[in-house]
Amino acid sequence: DIQMTQSPSTLSASVGDRVTITCRASQSISSWLAWYQQKPGKAPKLLIYKASSLESGVPSRFSGSGSGTEFTLTISSLQPDDFATYYCQQYISWTFGQGTKVEIK
Amino acid sequence: EVQLVESGGGLVQPGGSLRLSCAASGFTVSSNYMSWVRQAPGKGLEWVSVIYSGGSTYYADSVKGRFTISRDNSKNTLYLQMNSLRAEDTAVYYCAISSHSTAFDIWGQGTMVTVSS
Repeated sequence: DIQMTQSPSTLSASVGDRVTITCRASQSISSWLAWYQQKPGKAPKLLIYKASSLESGVPSRFSGSGSGTEFTLTISSLQPDDFATYYCQQYISWTFGQGTKVEIK
Repeated sequence: EVQLVESGGGLVQPGGSLRLSCAASGFTVSSNYMSWVRQAPGKGLEWVSVIYSGGSTYYADSVKGRFTISRDNSKNTLYLQMNSLRAEDTAVYYCAISSHSTAFDIWGQGTMVTVSS
């Protein structure tokens, strides 16, 4: 099975900060990676697919990069609505990372 | 508008069975892949199962042999039959589809399954 490891597990940041979350795959997944945002009590929301494609309606401050085994999600200027938990998911065999909670500093 | 509505969750005793449903509107369930994802209380997301447009199915090791994913094209509905339920199956279960991207771009609201005596 392909394991996905996200870092950090928790991130404290302020509004306006540039934030980067990393996701590593245990083997190459090409660009078959997605990023989701989840808020408490809500279903996940797709942000990025195929590693770097921005989902329709998602603000351009979100971006994704990487291929193979190393991927990043970047929020260029953190907004109040962005405090949430973020998950990566590889979609060769569908496993998720353990999540990164973005908290207010 | 594409919408998914799950139902069928509830309280069940260990060893029992439950069938979850996910009714789709604005989308044909057989046209792309659909999946079940669960989230135990206070935990992260766990992929459970996927069914592809051609009918192929795959399962997480944690549910293989106990859960069965299926769909009814005439009812435009996805199902998850869950047998031999365990306490560790307690979670919110979401259905999700890939309608226009290659990932899960539409999610249902989730249905809670509690396995307890």
